Amino acid sequence: AQRVTQPEKLLSVFKGAPVELKCNYSYSGSPELFWYVQYSRQRLQLLLRHISRESIKGFTADLNKGETSFHLKKPFAQEEDSAMYYCALQPNAGKSTFGDGTTLTVKP
Amino acid sequence: DGGITQSPKYLFRKEGQNVTLSCEQNLNHDAMYWYRQDPGQGLRLIYYSQIVNDFQKGDIAEGYSVSREKKESFPLTVTSAQKNPTAFYLCASSITSGGLTGELFFGEGSRLTVL
Repeated sequence: AQRVTQPEKLLSVFKGAPVELKCNYSYSGSPELFWYVQYSRQRLQLLLRHISRESIKGFTADLNKGETSFHLKKPFAQEEDSAMYYCALQPNAGKSTFGDGTTLTVKP
Repeated sequence: DGGITQSPKYLFRKEGQNVTLSCEQNLNHDAMYWYRQDPGQGLRLIYYSQIVNDFQKGDIAEGYSVSREKKESFPLTVTSAQKNPTAFYLCASSITSGGLTGELFFGEGSRLTVL
């Protein structure tokens, strides 16, 4: 069975500090992993996906198959990064699994 | 203006009544999904459809039903059999290519409250 675990429900950092949102997954095949973000009063939207290996809004995420992790990182957090973040495993057409989400608060 | 439209945004229902949530997309996506979002529980998949006239149960399909008669529409019915229907419901769509699911595009959601 596929499973996504985000161990931190809440994460609070100060502006300018590094931030890491953890995501671990369980899946027997080759995973397709995504991070989605939901800002206040906005719809859920894609932040980044592992296959593109790009940096979006200063965030990066590296897939570590050995540790089955896909942690989201940003070296210097900004107040506008405050949002709910979801890690998602989308291994094949249709059956996507989301983690429970992490609420990030960046304090001034 | 392309995207996914869910209606209504807010809905109140009495116990024992069925209610249907609408989801329409003009992105020409093949796949559509319904998720339920509860506080502290993330998104849980109710039903999904990869092609017209076909759909599969997700992880929490009991008490729900769907249809996919048109590519752009995927309505969700919350039946009286759903024991805890008060929740926030999200519809999404995606391109599927080579067996892989692309980025999910989400609607703004529908909040259902059972009185």
